[in-house]
Amino acid sequence: KAGVTQTPRYLIKTRGQQVTLSCSPISGHRSVSWYQQTPGQGLQFLFEYFSETQRNKGNFPGRFSGRQFSNSRSEMNVSTLELGDSALYLCASSSIPGQGYNEQFFGPGTRLTVL
Amino acid sequence: GEDVEQSLFLSVREGDSSVINCTYTDSSSTYLYWYKQEPGAGLQLLTYIFSNMDMKQDQRLTVLLNKKDKHLSLRIADTQTGDSAIYFCAESRRSGNTGKLIFGQGTTLQVKP
Repeated sequence: KAGVTQTPRYLIKTRGQQVTLSCSPISGHRSVSWYQQTPGQGLQFLFEYFSETQRNKGNFPGRFSGRQFSNSRSEMNVSTLELGDSALYLCASSSIPGQGYNEQFFGPGTRLTVL
Repeated sequence: GEDVEQSLFLSVREGDSSVINCTYTDSSSTYLYWYKQEPGAGLQLLTYIFSNMDMKQDQRLTVLLNKKDKHLSLRIADTQTGDSAIYFCAESRRSGNTGKLIFGQGTTLQVKP
């Protein structure tokens, strides 16, 4: 099985611009989660989607949004970029979310640099 | 709170054992995970433990869980230079039907030849 793929791998934007990141989960997986990784804040949960519905959202401003398509692919969008949005954005897929064992498979990430 | 805490850095010699520690605050945690991140890569799941277990062993990896103290550790036996990476502990919570993981800050393991 192919792993989780994220595109693009690297991105450079300037303040005020917007950006869209894409994630393709493992075939058959219906749940996609997004995390932001920065040296200062570590790994922080952004949001989680299952069957095109947002199930959970982290503590991020409304500039961060996402969606999931019927084929389980997900996109996240950041509008009005700020310098502090520079980070590695990781996507993880799992078969279904839940209270049980939930192995999440992570993609390689998209490295976003905001200048 | 949502705090999961880890020491930031550990240096060992090749062949020694490494022990990486983690503490968490939420007693509703169900599963606890250890992930490894190599430079330029995403996260790789190493092992996990269910919250009603005390210990789990998987080849060179041993996970110990002390529920009373909310303390989790990962022991790597016979540490190799290829084990050099950042190690994250993470927890998932009992509340809600969600896959959200709460991560620690990560421990950088340096293995000296």
